[in-house]
Amino acid sequence: GAGVSQSPSNKVTEKGKDVELRCDPISGHTALYWYRQRLGQGLEFLIYFQGNSAPDKSGLPSDRFSAERTGESVSTLTIQRTQQEDSAVYLCASSLWAGSSNQPQHFGDGTRLSIL
Amino acid sequence: GIQVEQSPPDLILQEGANSTLRCNFSDSVNNLQWFHQNPWGQLINLFYIPSGTKQNGRLSATTVATERYSLLYISSSQTTDSGVYFCAVDNQGGKLIFGQGTELSVKP
Repeated sequence: GAGVSQSPSNKVTEKGKDVELRCDPISGHTALYWYRQRLGQGLEFLIYFQGNSAPDKSGLPSDRFSAERTGESVSTLTIQRTQQEDSAVYLCASSLWAGSSNQPQHFGDGTRLSIL
Repeated sequence: GIQVEQSPPDLILQEGANSTLRCNFSDSVNNLQWFHQNPWGQLINLFYIPSGTKQNGRLSATTVATERYSLLYISSSQTTDSGVYFCAVDNQGGKLIFGQGTELSVKP
């Protein structure tokens, strides 16, 4: 597609349930990133993928959070046993990866997650 | 890790005014981006500018990498410029570290 696509755009669920968030990167982008934005704050890094591998998952807040990527394309972020503090907008970004050079990251519109 | 500070935290302008937003960072970077987050939450790329100067219409940005700061200039501001402006940097070849943003409100 033309841009990064995320689904669902909104998700409301009860505390304790598991949720799965999806990200479709820009076609041809080998790097994919997940960020979280709490209300009124900046973005916090969660994890990034280069191809299907995750060189840096240092931002995942707890072992309830996991992510995977398949086919160097779609990625899913899973939150198990959701807690109210997980309420936030989850943003995905993708970029080209040209050796050691950095490329700009392009963001999707995010998934707004609300835990009741 | 690298620290990113943005100033001012809030800014109110009358339509037509000019403004300068600043981003200071604590270490050398190989990626710096400016974003505009509109009132609907969409994060729009403005500039990819690890060094040098770029212009796009009424917006321009300058990064002085040796002095570890970047400036975003908005000229002839419009109400549609309202929102939060974020600076984000990367020095490890991966994640972006975001500042806390500057919230801009342009009044008609």
